[in-house]
Amino acid sequence: KAGVTQTPRYLIKTRGQQVTLSCSPISGHRSVSWYQQTPGQGLQFLFEYFSETQRNKGNFPGRFSGRQFSNSRSEMNVSTLELGDSALYLCASSVGYEQYFGPGTRLTVT
Amino acid sequence: GQQVMQIPQYQHVQEGEDFTTYCNSSTTLSNIQWYKQRPGGHPVFLIQLVKSGEVKKQKRLTFQFGEAKKNSSLHITATQTTDVGTYFCAGQTTSGTYKYIFGTGTRLKVLA
Repeated sequence: KAGVTQTPRYLIKTRGQQVTLSCSPISGHRSVSWYQQTPGQGLQFLFEYFSETQRNKGNFPGRFSGRQFSNSRSEMNVSTLELGDSALYLCASSVGYEQYFGPGTRLTVT
Repeated sequence: GQQVMQIPQYQHVQEGEDFTTYCNSSTTLSNIQWYKQRPGGHPVFLIQLVKSGEVKKQKRLTFQFGEAKKNSSLHITATQTTDVGTYFCAGQTTSGTYKYIFGTGTRLKVLA
């Protein structure tokens, strides 16, 4: 089975711009979660989608949003980028309790 | 808010020595998971503990969940260079959104 894929792998954006990241879960996995990983804050939960519905949400501002499509692929969007949004964004898919992480998208905001 | 702390933050050991990382939650957890992230890689699921006082073993790795379900530990016996990486615990809340809160991680370096 193919693993979780994320595109793009690397991205450089300027403050004020917006960005969309994509995540394709493992086939058959209907739950997709997004995390932000930074050296200072560690892994922080953004949100979880299940069957196209947001099931859980972390403590991030409204600039961070996401959605899930009928094929379980998910996107997350960050609007009005800030320098502090520079991070590794990881998505994880699951069918039970075990989360399978993708390789992440490294976002740099300049 | 709910926090999950891990200690130590860093640990350097000689190959063959044992290693332990501890995870402490400010509130009771529904369950706890452990992940390993190699340098430059992504977290990989190791195990989930659900029951109070549960102990599970995977070869040289021993995982424990505290009686109060607020703390956990991962112990590696006779470390090897392949054990290098950052170990994270992730606790699931018992109410509200049932999301996973990741610990701060322990970075392990094994010296050959």
